[in-house]
Formats: sequence, C-alpha cells, structure tokens
Amino acid sequence: QKEVEQNSGPLSVPEGAIASLNCTYSDRGSQSFFWYRQYSGKSPELIMFIYSNGDKEDGRFTAQLNKASQYVSLLIRDSQPSDSATYLCAVTAGKSTFGDGTTLTVKP
Amino acid sequence: GAVVSQHPSRVICKSGTSVKIECRSLDFQATTMFWYRQFPKKSLMLMATSNEGSKATYEQGVEKDKFLINHASLTLSTLTVTSAHPEDSSFYICSARDPGSGSNEQFFGPGTRLTVL
Repeated sequence: QKEVEQNSGPLSVPEGAIASLNCTYSDRGSQSFFWYRQYSGKSPELIMFIYSNGDKEDGRFTAQLNKASQYVSLLIRDSQPSDSATYLCAVTAGKSTFGDGTTLTVKP
Repeated sequence: GAVVSQHPSRVICKSGTSVKIECRSLDFQATTMFWYRQFPKKSLMLMATSNEGSKATYEQGVEKDKFLINHASLTLSTLTVTSAHPEDSSFYICSARDPGSGSNEQFFGPGTRLTVL
C-alpha cells in the first residue's frame, strides 16, 4: 500500500462544475496536509493546507480533512479551464510524502 | 510567499560529465532544503534532505556518492549529479520551508530539467 494514494485520473469536468479530488494516507501520525497544483513542465505551487479536522475554504477551493478516516479531499467549485493541471496531495509527518497526483481537465 | 530559485533551469550534458544544480532561498533562511526528482507523469520522489552545516540525509535507494549535496549556507544548497548517465535524465526540484511562516508549507524552486545524452 502506498503511503499516500490519490484517486486515479484523469478527471474531466465541464466548465462551471465541481471537481472533487481525493487522497488517503496510511500514517496516522501525519500532522499537515497540503494540496499542490502542478502545470506540465512546472514546479508544484501550493493551493491549500489544512491541519484540523473539518473543512477549510479559500475562494473556490475547499479542503476537507477527516483524520479518523485518514482522508483529505479538495473541492474546486465553478471549475475553470485554467484549473486544468495535475493536483498533488502531500502529507507531512516530519517529512512530506506526495501522492502520484490526479490530472484534472476542465472542458470549456 | 517565500521565493526559492534554481539554476540552471535546463541543462543538456554528455554521459559521464558532472552537473551542479543550485537552489537558493531568496527572502528567507532555510536550515533545511529538500531535493526531489520527478519522472514524466510521475509524482515527486524525495531524494534527500539537505541540512545546513551538516551531512544530507538520503532516502533509501539514493546513492549519496552519485548525488552530492552541499548546504553551505542558510540560503544555498547544491546538488551535483556525478558522472551522469541517460537514466539520470529527469526533472530535479528543490524546496525549502520558511521557519518564519508558521506552517510546514514547502516552497518549491522552478525546477531543473536535466537531459543526459
């Protein structure tokens, strides 16, 4: 079992729809959870981080964390073509471990 | 947010040569920097953790004699790929945490694409 697993892609949604990205992790000692966006050929850039159970909203993005279920998700509302990218889930317990990423395509 | 730079952004070299990649934190001091490698359509694989003033900590399976890391100051870490071979061709990315940010967020450099002929 991988330490960090993301739902397999690619994921395709129409413009304006909600995109849902999921991530599970195996280390119960994990403390910090991050979502990064990576465009092709570029480095990752931080979208959101969450430390506590529950929801955290920032504009069109909502991160959800459930430590009991070892699950973290990212919702993107009103998806735009510019949101098309690979989204990486990172879980930190000392060092950061990244999932393989989910590629999202938002179709106009 | 904090800014991390990398140089060069792209390098093409012949097999057997050594390549040095620099990673700099521009507006903060980083006692720890991280070096990742990313193959096409794959995730980031942590190679090593670079510690200022001490030896780097390498991940299992990463050859420390092949990937030399020097963290000589609080703003600079270098990765040297020694005797590079075609299988070392990859996207190398460094990152650093800003101790003053209050979070474990990693700030990534723009990456270095290495092609070994």
